[in-house]
Amino acid sequence: NAGVTQTPKFQVLKTGQSMTLQCAQDMNHEYMSWYRQDPGMGLRLIHYSVGAGITDQGEVPNGYNVSRSTTEDFPLRLLSAAPSQTSVYFCASTPGGTYNEQFFGPGTRLTVL
Amino acid sequence: AQSVTQLDSQVPVFEEAPVELRCNYSSSVSVYLFWYVQYPNQGLQLLLKYLSGSTLVKGINGFEAEFNKSQTSFHLRKPSVHISDTAEYFCAVRGSNDYKLSFGAGTTVTVRA
Repeated sequence: NAGVTQTPKFQVLKTGQSMTLQCAQDMNHEYMSWYRQDPGMGLRLIHYSVGAGITDQGEVPNGYNVSRSTTEDFPLRLLSAAPSQTSVYFCASTPGGTYNEQFFGPGTRLTVL
Repeated sequence: AQSVTQLDSQVPVFEEAPVELRCNYSSSVSVYLFWYVQYPNQGLQLLLKYLSGSTLVKGINGFEAEFNKSQTSFHLRKPSVHISDTAEYFCAVRGSNDYKLSFGAGTTVTVRA
């Protein structure tokens, strides 16, 4: 298993540009989520999904969209990038059931100029 | 909703000395607790988790944590650290009926020879 994969690893955008961060998992996990990591703030939940076709907002959803058309993929879209979205983004997944931890991808470092 | 407070943002420690990282949480429901480690420029890796049962939990790399319900704490300890333990450590909590994780701000551990 490749686990949770994220692309790209690094990205530089200009203010106002759009892009999609890709996340995929090959473990047939039901639950997937996106976090952003900022210094001194830990990880904050952006959006999450409990299964294909079902998504919901987390703690900091503004400026981001998600969709979940398949169990494997959970892309994060920035429609109009802003400097405040400069961050490291992590995707995570977990199997169904209440006893399981989340498995994290390697992260995408995004800089918005 | 749950929240987590990590009481120390930075912990410098000498090699082979013990270390304790403090974590307090708040929740109105039963919780599951986790400690994750993030090595430089990497994703998050699970160190250990508390789900139920024994309040002393042993994890990877010689780490252990103790769940204290009355003090709402989940402190992480290692009796003797190595240079390779230099990393950022995150405490996380989720409700027993929820998948969403709430993270603390993180504690940076720097081990010096």
